[in-house]
Amino acid sequence: EAGVAQSPRYKIIEKRQSVAFWCNPISGHATLYWYQQILGQGPKLLIQFQNNGVVDDSQLPKDRFSAERLKGVDSTLKIQPAKLEDSAVYLCASSLWGGEEQYFGPGTRLTVT
Amino acid sequence: GQQVMQIPQYQHVQEGEDFTTYCNSSTTLSNIQWYKQRPGGHPVFLIQLVKSGEVKKQKRLTFQFGEAKKNSSLHITATQTTDVGTYFCAGQPGTYKYIFGTGTRLKVLA
Repeated sequence: EAGVAQSPRYKIIEKRQSVAFWCNPISGHATLYWYQQILGQGPKLLIQFQNNGVVDDSQLPKDRFSAERLKGVDSTLKIQPAKLEDSAVYLCASSLWGGEEQYFGPGTRLTVT
Repeated sequence: GQQVMQIPQYQHVQEGEDFTTYCNSSTTLSNIQWYKQRPGGHPVFLIQLVKSGEVKKQKRLTFQFGEAKKNSSLHITATQTTDVGTYFCAGQPGTYKYIFGTGTRLKVLA
C-alpha cells in the first residue's frame, strides 16, 4: 500500500513570496490533515478535511494561508505572502476517518529567508 | 485554549534503563494517540487509547490512559538504541482535531 505522498520535499523562498505544497493521501482515506511543525515542537494542526469539506481550520492564519481538497482526494496548501516565522516542516497526514490512526507523509521543509 | 503538555522535555538514559513520559491535557479527551518521530523523520503511529483506565502493551512499551481521561503515560522497559527519537501524545478533545503534546526527546547511551 502506497503511503502519503508530499511534494516538494524542500523549498527555500524569500519573505513575501508565495509557495504551494501538494499532498496525495492514502487511497480511500476520508480525512486529511495539514500540520505545521516548527523545530523542537509538536505538530500543530492547520486544517482538517473530511472528504472535501473543512471540519477544522481554527488555527489556520487565513490572511495568508489557504488550502483546498478538490474531489476529496489530493490537497494543496498555499502561503501568500510568506513570513520568516513560516519556516517549518509542513506535514500532511491522512486517516480512514476522523479519530483513527494518522499516517504521515515525509513532509515539506520550508525555509523563508 | 486547549493544551497538551508532556514531561520531561528531554531524557537521556543508559541502554537497558527504563523510560517514562507523561502527557497531561487541560481538558477531558475522547481518546489519545501516541507517535514516535525519529530525527529527521515524520511521526509514526504507535497506539490509540480510548477507554478510561485503559492499559495496552506492545513488547517493551506500556501505555496507560488515566481514569479521568486527561492524562496518559508511555513506559519503555529496558531501552535500546533503536528507541531513540521524540515521543508525542496527541489528544482528541472532541470529535475532530487532535492536539499534539510538546514531546519528549529520548536519547539512549550505549
